[in-house]
Amino acid sequence: DGGITQSPKYLFRKEGQNVTLSCEQNLNHDAMYWYRQDPGQGLRLIYYSQIVNDFQKGDIAEGYSVSREKKESFPLTVTSAQKNPTAFYLCASTGAFAEAFFGQGTRLTVV
Amino acid sequence: AQSVTQLGSHVSVSEGALVLLRCNYSSSVPPYLFWYVQYPNQGLQLLLKYTSAATLVKGINGFEAEFKKSETSFHLTKPSAHMSDAAEYFCAVRGTTGGGNKLTFGTGTQLKVEL
Repeated sequence: DGGITQSPKYLFRKEGQNVTLSCEQNLNHDAMYWYRQDPGQGLRLIYYSQIVNDFQKGDIAEGYSVSREKKESFPLTVTSAQKNPTAFYLCASTGAFAEAFFGQGTRLTVV
Repeated sequence: AQSVTQLGSHVSVSEGALVLLRCNYSSSVPPYLFWYVQYPNQGLQLLLKYTSAATLVKGINGFEAEFKKSETSFHLTKPSAHMSDAAEYFCAVRGTTGGGNKLTFGTGTQLKVEL
């Protein structure tokens, strides 16, 4: 079945540590996105990529980095510069009318 | 820039009652509009979408929404609520200036269904 796979489902980060969240899609979509979700704040865009080897900052890119070396993959790194990383992270890709298809999310907690 | 406003962060209905979740959008160009549902600790699932065809859009699980340009609204309705409808619902609008197909989401409405 086509879809988006995020891993891991739960992730724990120590202070000062970088962690990478995985996102893989087999929908053959060009565009991929990372969102951060906090209670009561909806989804906020971190980074997006419309094509391989290209990506743009979203609204809250500080403390995050991404790469897009393959069409299927769009990993997100949460760096130590992100001071409040505890959140639910969602990866998505968009189809013909820009409807977004989402992964199941990764819940990141700082310990 | 595109934006959406969802009125009411929490809505409570009785099982069998009408569900109405409100969404108003702001857009300088004709928009594409979407409703998504999210169950706890899961990703978002597309309920329905408006892409400038029929103004009354039917989606999954008995939900529908009507695009009203004069009111800049895209409210989500379901005639009879079921316990399984309890979830968080997000309205979203497609940006058409820069950023390609990126979506802007509302802050969500938590729907509670009571017996």
